[in-house]
Amino acid sequence: DTVLTQSPALAVSPGERVTISCKASESVSTRMHWYQQKPGQQPKLLIYKASNLASGVPARFSGSGSGTDFTLTIDPVEADDTATYFCQQSWNGDTFGAGTKLELK
Amino acid sequence: QVTLKESGPGILQPSQTLSLTCTFSGFSLSTYGMGVGWIRQPSGKGLEWLANIWWDDDKYYNPSLKNRLTISKDTSNNQAFLKITNVDTADTATYYCARIEGILRIISWFAYWGQGTLVTVSS
Repeated sequence: DTVLTQSPALAVSPGERVTISCKASESVSTRMHWYQQKPGQQPKLLIYKASNLASGVPARFSGSGSGTDFTLTIDPVEADDTATYFCQQSWNGDTFGAGTKLELK
Repeated sequence: QVTLKESGPGILQPSQTLSLTCTFSGFSLSTYGMGVGWIRQPSGKGLEWLANIWWDDDKYYNPSLKNRLTISKDTSNNQAFLKITNVDTADTATYYCARIEGILRIISWFAYWGQGTLVTVSS
């Protein structure tokens, strides 16, 4: 199984720039995707194929990386971005990271 | 407009078989390249991919659960199904279905999600 490792939590102030990392246990090329999940809601696609912005997602969100190291960046962070962010790889089956909970100070 | 909605029994007992239905609109599972996946999430925990089914009836399962899972579809009624046999309390979760987008099976992601259905396994 391809294991994805994410930091459990981050706290930032509105207006700041935040980077959320996802490290794969083996290379997944650019087959990495990012989702946002707010409490009580279903996940929402943000980024696909490592760096492509999904339809309707604000340009404040961006993704980068290839191989084993990937980053989701939000710049600037807004209060509405409070959520848990999951990465997902589709190189070897489909697996998700455990999620990074983003809190605003 | 793409929408998906999951339905299930709500509560069932250990050792029973869980049957889930995903009813969708805005696309057809008979269209070349289309796929639907099932993902679950225990309360307060992360996402676990379960299974995918494609327009050509190709199926992929999470290896750790493969022996217990069966995914299927009814293209005439725009539905996809998932059965999980021999459930126990560890199967308690919110179950989501999602439309897959991407480049066939080579690279794919879950573009549209249903609201989820909560399934509780309890004696």
